[in-house]
This record gives sequence, structure tokens and C-alpha cells, in this order.
Amino acid sequence: EVQLVQSGGGLVQPGGSLRLSCAASGFTFNTYWMSWVRQAPGKRLEWVASIKQDGGETFYVASAKGRLTISRDNAKNSLYLQMNSPRGEDTAVYYCARENHATFDIWGQGTMVTVSS
Amino acid sequence: EIVMTQSPATLSVSPGERATLSCRASQSVSTNLAWYQQKPGQAPRLLISGASTRATGIPARFSGSGSGTEFTLTISSLQSEDFAVYYCQQYIHWPPMYTFGQGTKLEI
Repeated sequence: EVQLVQSGGGLVQPGGSLRLSCAASGFTFNTYWMSWVRQAPGKRLEWVASIKQDGGETFYVASAKGRLTISRDNAKNSLYLQMNSPRGEDTAVYYCARENHATFDIWGQGTMVTVSS
Repeated sequence: EIVMTQSPATLSVSPGERATLSCRASQSVSTNLAWYQQKPGQAPRLLISGASTRATGIPARFSGSGSGTEFTLTISSLQSEDFAVYYCQQYIHWPPMYTFGQGTKLEI
């Protein structure tokens, strides 16, 4: 079965750090771009970041640059999002997603991140 | 940034009826437009890509049309499981700068 299973998330203080993980199975992970998409409470979906198959290229939404870092470990079939010095506006449900021709065809179950002191 | 605007915000329909959802882009995205369905507490599900191509396993009652700046998602005969929030997404830019609409809630 093709699936993405997420872990991590929870409560983090402003200025703290948190890492989200996403384990892929059922498909050849290293042949796909991967992304993170988030959804703040009551808000629209927002693309956060994407990473190329070999990890050699990454792209971010402007509001995330410098604070959120996307990475992957193809040997472990895993995707990560490192959140450093998060802000209140980073509070959201975070989804990992497989990119297929720039659309998101497989999604993780989502994990809630709350930034609060 | 390309802004995606969906209408209406909420659409009230009955099972068996036809539903038409709209999505407008602030500039042309050609046919680089996708539709997603999201039910409460669940991740989104890809329905349509390329403005009109159904994703794997999506029933034929879902159809997409449009190009440029105006797009439509039509659900021909609503089933109970279709009541959800629907989002459009554009993906024309390189480097990627994907944006979503604010969603249309389909309710009974």
C-alpha cells in the first residue's frame, strides 16, 4: 500500500525547535519530489516547501525561508521538516505529500504543531 | 504570487443534485490546475489534475473544466460521501510557488 506516515509535532515554544518526520512506503521514494503543506486552523492549505528526488534542490514559501528546513534520507525512505525559531503563525496541521507532476497525489495523515509559550 | 479565489464559499445542495464549484486565478495558469477534496479531520485527496484529468480511483461523476483563469469542478449527482470542502491549486510556476484557493464547503 502506498502511504506516508507522519510523526513528531506537538507543542513548541516560540524560539524553540521541532522536527517533523514522514515515513514513506509502497513506492520508490527516491524517484519523487516531496513536499510539506500546512493548514492553519480555519485557513486554506498553504504549500510550505519542496525537495528534489536527490535532495539537491529545495524550495520554500517566502514566509518559511530561514526558519523551516526540508530534508530527506532516501536510505530510510523518510522526509523531514526542521522547524527552528517557530512563530505563532507557524501553528498549523502539517502534511507531508508526494508530488506528482506538481500536484500532491499522496498525503500523510497530518500532524498538529502548536507554537505557544 | 498567483491568488486563487473560489466561489461560492458554501454551497448547499441535496443528494442526487448537480454541484458546480468555481475557481478563478489572478493570472493565467493555463491548465495547471488541480482540485482536492477534504473531509473533516482528514488529509486532502487529489481529485483532478491538468484541469480535467481525474486522478486514479476518482468516480466519473467528478469532472473538471476550464483554462487560463476560470475553472469549474462539477459533481454530476451528489452522493452522501461527497459533502466536504473542495480546494483548487495552481502549479504553473517554476521554481514552484504553489497556491490554493480558500475552499468551497459543500453541505446538505
